[in-house]
Amino acid sequence: DAGVIQSPRHEVTEMGQEVTLRCKPISGHNSLFWYRQTMMRGLELLIYFNNNVPIDDSGMPEDRFSAKMPNASFSTLKIQPSEPRDSAVYFCASSLATSGSYEQYFGPGTRLTVT
Amino acid sequence: AQSVTQLDSHVSVSEGTPVLLRCNYSSSYSPSLFWYVQHPNKGLQLLLKYTSAATLVKGINGFEAEFKKSETSFHLTKPSAHMSDAAEYFCVVSDLRYGNKLVFGAGTILRVKS
Repeated sequence: DAGVIQSPRHEVTEMGQEVTLRCKPISGHNSLFWYRQTMMRGLELLIYFNNNVPIDDSGMPEDRFSAKMPNASFSTLKIQPSEPRDSAVYFCASSLATSGSYEQYFGPGTRLTVT
Repeated sequence: AQSVTQLDSHVSVSEGTPVLLRCNYSSSYSPSLFWYVQHPNKGLQLLLKYTSAATLVKGINGFEAEFKKSETSFHLTKPSAHMSDAAEYFCVVSDLRYGNKLVFGAGTILRVKS
């Protein structure tokens, strides 16, 4: 199994530019989660999907952030326009939401630097 | 709502000595509990999970954790630390009433001295 795949692994961009992060969940998993990790705030859940439908986006910081999941094997997190305070590591995770088993499997993360 | 408290932000042990990372949880329902590990500049890896079966759970790399309902604790232990265990460890709770979200503790950084 290839695990959760994220791209790019590193992204450096200038303030005001659009940034798109990509995630491919583990095949067969039906839940997908986007997290952000910073030294100051730790690990924060941004949004999650069940069966490609957004369930809870209360963690999305503001309207500059948007996420989509057009099919079961692909999701994007977009920041437009980007700001320096968006610099963080963004993780994607997936899980198979069966009864009694909710562990999530994390991708390697995308390190975003906004200058 | 459920929550997790990791009692130590940093733990330092010598190689070959036991490891104890403490975690208390709050959940008024039967929770699922997990420990994840994150090595520097890496993603989070599942160490072990408790889902209402045996209260003593064995995980990867020699780690284990014991679910104690009376103490609302889920401490992580290892008999003998190895240099490669140096990482950050997260205690995590899931409560089915709140969907399949996970609630993460603040993390404990484990340092292993040679």
